[in-house]
Amino acid sequence: NAGVMQNPRHLVRRRGQEARLRCSPMKGHSHVYWYRQLPEEGLKFMVYLQKENIIDESGMPKERFSAEFPKEGPSILRIQQVVRGDSAAYFCASSPNQDRIAGELFFGEGSRLTVL
Amino acid sequence: AQSVTQPDIHITVSEGASLELRCNYSYGATPYLFWYVQSPGQGLQLLLKYFSGDTLVQGIKGFEAEFKRSQSSFNLRKPSVHWSDAAEYFCAVTGTASKLTFGTGTRLQVTL
Repeated sequence: NAGVMQNPRHLVRRRGQEARLRCSPMKGHSHVYWYRQLPEEGLKFMVYLQKENIIDESGMPKERFSAEFPKEGPSILRIQQVVRGDSAAYFCASSPNQDRIAGELFFGEGSRLTVL
Repeated sequence: AQSVTQPDIHITVSEGASLELRCNYSYGATPYLFWYVQSPGQGLQLLLKYFSGDTLVQGIKGFEAEFKRSQSSFNLRKPSVHWSDAAEYFCAVTGTASKLTFGTGTRLQVTL
């Protein structure tokens, strides 16, 4: 019963480089969510995806950030040309394929990005 | 817009003492409310949730929370704290498909 798997757990990038964060949801889950946690703050919603579809990206910065959840493989959060302000913990969560609202989210352990 | 306020940034209690963590929310309709716990360097674990029905909900690890609509609150309680409860606690609200709005968290320290 593997939980939500995120990798890498820690990532260091220099300004201007690209960061790719991966998330494999729990088995049987087809809904994936990405949240960002800045130091000393709560989690902020970024994007909600189902397989091959972005459902809600209202929390994503307009530039440099993108997310995908392909038919095969993990969901990927991509940050291009990183800046120091992107340093944060990025959490992925998944939920089962269900129609009713407000299902429980299962969180991964997060990927901690440090931009030098 | 929905929001969550956790007024206490940091709380210290003695082991064996009771605990109450405050959470106030703002939401225009019936909210769905959650409490999560985060240990250092870890992800979030769901403690309990309120969707409807009984306003006193029981969770894991001996935690409970009470939904008070008149006060827009969903405070978390535990009658006797254990040292292993030291962590950060987040209250969250949603009304839609799992797009949670989190509070800024309360860091709990337990003294022996």
